[in-house]
Amino acid sequence: DAGVIQSPRHEVTEMGQEVTLRCKPISGHNSLFWYRQTMMRGLELLIYFNNNVPIDDSGMPEDRFSAKMPNASFSTLKIQPSEPRDSAVYFCASTIDRRGTQYFGPGTRLLVL
Amino acid sequence: QKEVEQNSGPLSVPEGAIASLNCTYSDRVSQSFFWYRQYSGKSPELIMSIYSNGDKEDGRFTAQLNKASQYVSLLIRDSQPSDSATYLCAVNIKDDMRFGAGTRLTVKP
Repeated sequence: DAGVIQSPRHEVTEMGQEVTLRCKPISGHNSLFWYRQTMMRGLELLIYFNNNVPIDDSGMPEDRFSAKMPNASFSTLKIQPSEPRDSAVYFCASTIDRRGTQYFGPGTRLLVL
Repeated sequence: QKEVEQNSGPLSVPEGAIASLNCTYSDRVSQSFFWYRQYSGKSPELIMSIYSNGDKEDGRFTAQLNKASQYVSLLIRDSQPSDSATYLCAVNIKDDMRFGAGTRLTVKP
């Protein structure tokens, strides 16, 4: 299996622009997680889906962030409008069982100027 | 109190020594515990999982769990420079996975 796939790997954008991050989970995994990692705050859970349904989005910073999972093999995290403080590495992870081992994608490094 | 707490380090040990990484958690009913390793610029990868009290060994790695004390640790024997990374403790809390801030380990040749 190719593992969790994320795109783009790097994104540089200007403040105010829309950013869309993409994730393809491992086939057969039922849960998908979006994390944000910064030096200051560590690894933060933003939102997770179980069987394509958002279960907990309490970690989403504010209304500028939204996430969707239209099918079992694809999810997006959108930031609109983006701000410099959104600069971070965004990871997607998937797991068979939401209590089990999470497999992380390579991450998207986002820089908002 | 944070849900999952780790000493951020950095922890520095000489090559060949035992590195001891510690983690405490807040939820007494947590059942699943994980240690992930993250190299600089890379994504976290699972090293070990542990579910029962006691020790679990896998090669040079030993995870120790004490649910009464709400404490989980990772021992790395015969530390190698390639073990230099940040180690993240993760705990299932109320059906969610919560990560600690991570401990940065440096193994000096």
